[in-house]
Amino acid sequence: EIVLTQSPDFQSVTPKENVTITCRASQSIGTSLHWYQQKPDQSPNLLIKYTSQSFSGVPSRFSGSGSGTDFTLNINNLETEDAATFYCHQSSSLPYTFGQGTKLEIK
Amino acid sequence: QVQLQESGPGLVKSSQTLSLTCTVSGASIGSGSYYWTWIRQPAGKGLEWIGRIYTSGSTNYNPSLKSRVTISVDTSRNQFSLKLSSVTAADTAVYYCARAAASAMDVWGHGTTVTVSS
Repeated sequence: EIVLTQSPDFQSVTPKENVTITCRASQSIGTSLHWYQQKPDQSPNLLIKYTSQSFSGVPSRFSGSGSGTDFTLNINNLETEDAATFYCHQSSSLPYTFGQGTKLEIK
Repeated sequence: QVQLQESGPGLVKSSQTLSLTCTVSGASIGSGSYYWTWIRQPAGKGLEWIGRIYTSGSTNYNPSLKSRVTISVDTSRNQFSLKLSSVTAADTAVYYCARAAASAMDVWGHGTTVTVSS
């Protein structure tokens, strides 16, 4: 099973800041890495698929990059509505797995 | 607009079988190339992929649950279902159904909370 490790686990930031969340895979997964945003008491929403493809309707301030074992989610010009937990997810091999999550607090 | 809605008992007794259904609206579950997926999330914790069923009916399960889980599809009702046998307190979680286009899950249900009681 592929283990995904996100960092940091928690980050507190102010509006308009830029944030980078990283996801490291225990083995190479190519670009089969996706990012989700989960707001409190809501289901996750797809943000980025296949490392860097923005999902329909997602604001352009969200972007992704990487390949192999190291991936990043970048959020530029943070807004208060971005407060959430972010998860990476690999679909390179079964069973599919998720990172442990990164909780983003907006001060 | 495709929507998914989970339904089923919110309380299941230990050692019994958890049964949930996901009803799909806005699209036919039998058309298109999609994987219909179950994911769960214990309170305050991360996401766990349970398994999926393809439009053709083929399934994949998480080995950690494989001996206890069955996912099936009913195209006449536009639903797919999850059965998890021999449940314990560790199976208490919010259960989500989702559609996976290729492998990224692009449509999610709102989730349903299942508590396993002793």
